[in-house]
Amino acid sequence: DAGVIQSPRHEVTEMGQEVTLRCKPISGHNSLFWYRQTMMRGLELLIYFNNNVPIDDSGMPEDRFSAKMPNASFSTLKIQPSEPRDSAVYFCASSPTGTEPTGELFFGEGSRLTVL
Amino acid sequence: DAKTTQPTSMDCAEGRAANLPCNHSTISGNEYVYWYRQIHSQGPQYIIHGLKNNETNEMASLIITEDRKSSTLILPHATLRDTAVYYCIGGKEYGNKLVFGAGTILRVKS
Repeated sequence: DAGVIQSPRHEVTEMGQEVTLRCKPISGHNSLFWYRQTMMRGLELLIYFNNNVPIDDSGMPEDRFSAKMPNASFSTLKIQPSEPRDSAVYFCASSPTGTEPTGELFFGEGSRLTVL
Repeated sequence: DAKTTQPTSMDCAEGRAANLPCNHSTISGNEYVYWYRQIHSQGPQYIIHGLKNNETNEMASLIITEDRKSSTLILPHATLRDTAVYYCIGGKEYGNKLVFGAGTILRVKS
């Protein structure tokens, strides 16, 4: 079975440019999460969705960040305009919820963003 | 979400059991203890979780104290591939808004 798929795997951009990261969750999973990881701050939860609806976006650092989930099989995380301090690895994860939850998050391989 | 405390790093000899402790004295009655690990440059990987009882799966065993204030993850026969950062997290079973701390760096040495 395909796992969580993220693209691009690597992105190098210049300050001020728009960045869009994409995620395809595992089919049938109802919850989707965006995390950011840096050496300084570790793994931070940015936002999570349940049934395509944003439930908690308190981790989104500022208005430059936005996330959408237009359908159950696709989500985007957008940074506009990007800044060097946004350089990090961004992980997407999905999780099944329902009558038999496992409590398990399935993570993608991450998108490594470098903003020059 | 419960705050957890883990040692910064641990070493383990290859083939021996690795016992990773975690303190979670503020965990509430309906919060589970989750363990994840992250091998360098990969996404975190779920290992195991439990509420009150000890749990075992193909990867590891989880021993939770009776008062639920601490737990131990046991990798019964550590291999070099088990070198990773191990995270102990308290969280609900639904919603799974898991907050990762710094974790324990486990180094398995031959």
